[in-house]
Amino acid sequence: QITLKESGPTLVKPTQTLTLTCTFSGFSLSTSGVAVGWIRQPPGKALEWLALTYWTDDERYRPSLKSRLTITKDTSKNQVVLIMTNMDPVDTATYFCARSNYDTSGDGFDIWGQGTMVTVSS
Amino acid sequence: SSELTQDPAVSVALGQTVRITCQGDSLRTYYASWYQQKPGQAPVLVIYGKNRRPSGIPDRFSGSSSGSTSSLTITGAQAEDEADYYCDSRDTSANHLLFGGGTRLTVL
Repeated sequence: QITLKESGPTLVKPTQTLTLTCTFSGFSLSTSGVAVGWIRQPPGKALEWLALTYWTDDERYRPSLKSRLTITKDTSKNQVVLIMTNMDPVDTATYFCARSNYDTSGDGFDIWGQGTMVTVSS
Repeated sequence: SSELTQDPAVSVALGQTVRITCQGDSLRTYYASWYQQKPGQAPVLVIYGKNRRPSGIPDRFSGSSSGSTSSLTITGAQAEDEADYYCDSRDTSANHLLFGGGTRLTVL
């Protein structure tokens, strides 16, 4: 069974740095074609892709947030970490991590975590 | 292009067919994936690639593409299909991903 689960703080203050961890099981981020991404969704709004890390160590970031985002992976721990600096109330959202496996879902995210709600407020 | 455009809302009568569209320049080159999201839940992939369905997705869901428009068609919509639907794809540079703004489907 493939699962992903997000963890991290539920409340951060403006200007602080957010660190979210995606812990997964049932697949390896060393396997060809596999990637793990972060997607967020502000309350009542659309999904917004943030970052992606591939089995090749390649990383991609949302252009408008690139200066604030860092994605890292630890294949031995089956974890992917997203760091977002200088948090602002507009960053309040549910943050999801999700897997992509080119062999079974092309570029689509076939397995998602349950999401974690992050509120930015003083 | 850096945008995928979807109609905000669509409705369909129970048992009828509905098409949900996604427009963007990148769709001339890359396939869209389609997700269904119900309130309070994570999105579920329903279509990817050239009209491929993940295991467990009913065959009433299908995908197609023409030019800069990709479509998700639900043939014989059911009450449980009422949800928000999102498309995503690579952008024209292939370096980033894009999500559409989502379409809220109401089944009447």
